[in-house]
Amino acid sequence: EVQLVESGGGLIQPGGSLRLSCAASGFTVSSSYISWVRQTPGKGLQWVSMIYRSGATYYADSVKGRFTISRDSSKNTLYLQMNSLRAEDTAIYYCTRDLDYGGTNDAFDLWGQGTVVTVSS
Amino acid sequence: QSVLTQPPSVSGAPGQRVTISCTGGSSNIGAGFHVHWYQQLPGTAPKLLIYGNNKRPSGVPDRFSGSKSGTSASLAITGLQAEDEADYYCQSYDSGLRTSVFGGGTKLTVL
Repeated sequence: EVQLVESGGGLIQPGGSLRLSCAASGFTVSSSYISWVRQTPGKGLQWVSMIYRSGATYYADSVKGRFTISRDSSKNTLYLQMNSLRAEDTAIYYCTRDLDYGGTNDAFDLWGQGTVVTVSS
Repeated sequence: QSVLTQPPSVSGAPGQRVTISCTGGSSNIGAGFHVHWYQQLPGTAPKLLIYGNNKRPSGVPDRFSGSKSGTSASLAITGLQAEDEADYYCQSYDSGLRTSVFGGGTKLTVL
C-alpha cells in the first residue's frame, strides 16, 4: 500500500527541539519530491519545507534557519528537525508527496495522517 | 490572512450544485500558476480533489470540477451528497513569496 506515516510529535517547551519522522511505503522517497505542510486553526494550511529528488532543500521564510528537512534512503524515511521552536510552530504537521504531473507548481497527491506538535510552557 | 481568498462557508441541499471561489492576484493565479483543490473530511488529512486547474485524480467522481479565469478559480460540485460535507482548500504558487500558498478554506454544509 502506498502511504506516508508520520511520528515524533508531542508537547515541547519554547526554544526546544523535536524531530519528526515520515515513513514511506509503496514508493521510493529518493525518487519523489516530498514536502512538509502544517495546519493550524488560525492560519490554515502552510507549506513548510520540501526536498527534491536531487537532495536540494527549500524552506518557508518562517522556519528557515530553524528547521532542517532530510531523508534516509535506506529506511525510506523523511525527517524534519525542528529547533528553536516557538508557540507559533504549534500545528498538525503532514508529510506530503508531490504529484509531479509536469505542471507549473506542486500538487500534493499523498498525505500522511499528521502528527501534532504543541509548543507551550 | 491567506494569500488566496475563499468564502468561509457555503451550503446546499442534496442534489444541488454549489461553487467555491478562490481569489488570488497577479503573483499567483493571475501569473498563470495552476490551482489545485483539496477536500478535508473531519479528523482526516486533506485529499487531492482537482489538480492543474481542472484535472481529477483517479477515483474522484466527475461531480467535482475545477475552472480558472484571470486571478480566480472555482470548484463546482454537482449532485450534492451528504458525504461531500467537508472543508475545501485551494492551492497555488506565489512568485513573490516563492512558496506554495493555500486558501483559508471553505466549509461546505449539506442541508
